[in-house]
Amino acid sequence: NAGVMQNPRHLVRRRGQEARLRCSPMKGHSHVYWYRQLPEEGLKFMVYLQKENIIDESGMPKERFSAEFPKEGPSILRIQQVVRGDSAAYFCASSPIPRDLVRNYGYTFGSGTRLTVV
Amino acid sequence: DQQVKQNSPSLSVQEGRISILNCDYTNSMFDYFLWYKKYPAEGPTFLISISSIKDKNEDGRFTVFLNKSAKHLSLHIVPSQPGDSAVYFCAASASKSATNKLIFGTGTLLAVQP
Repeated sequence: NAGVMQNPRHLVRRRGQEARLRCSPMKGHSHVYWYRQLPEEGLKFMVYLQKENIIDESGMPKERFSAEFPKEGPSILRIQQVVRGDSAAYFCASSPIPRDLVRNYGYTFGSGTRLTVV
Repeated sequence: DQQVKQNSPSLSVQEGRISILNCDYTNSMFDYFLWYKKYPAEGPTFLISISSIKDKNEDGRFTVFLNKSAKHLSLHIVPSQPGDSAVYFCAASASKSATNKLIFGTGTLLAVQP
């Protein structure tokens, strides 16, 4: 029973390029959350998705960032025209549907994608 | 606006002693609190949680205390072990919110000295 799978683990992009980060949730989990950890900072919520729906994108920067969770396949976090300030660790987490499970046991996080913009 | 605050960026403790990690929150709608542990180059892993109907929850060496009036919670690790050295994040959630969004603090780096 694989956990949350994120790839790539490390991604290097030049300024102006696009970055695509992928996340496959745990089996049986239909909710996906993306968080970003900037150097020396905590985890900042970015977006919450269910299959084919964005539920809460209140933490997403207004420009250049987008996320999707299609009916088939992994969730994708896409950053267009990357800048140096986008360099961070991006974590995906998944959860099952029952809210009481999430409240008592939290989400399950992947190992993250470390994006470096040069 | 940092709704969940961990004011100590780091803590150093001797092996066998108690580690106490603190967390404060500002949003009175929060009613579930979780602690996560994170090793370098790995994702955070769930450690222990507490709901606002309780003031204490214990799991082995880990105990979380909640003081609702002070909007403060703490994680106690007794006895501390070198393998506990990691970054600890406090997180909070509001059951009345439409999502299960967790709001995280900035983390405390715990170093347990052998």
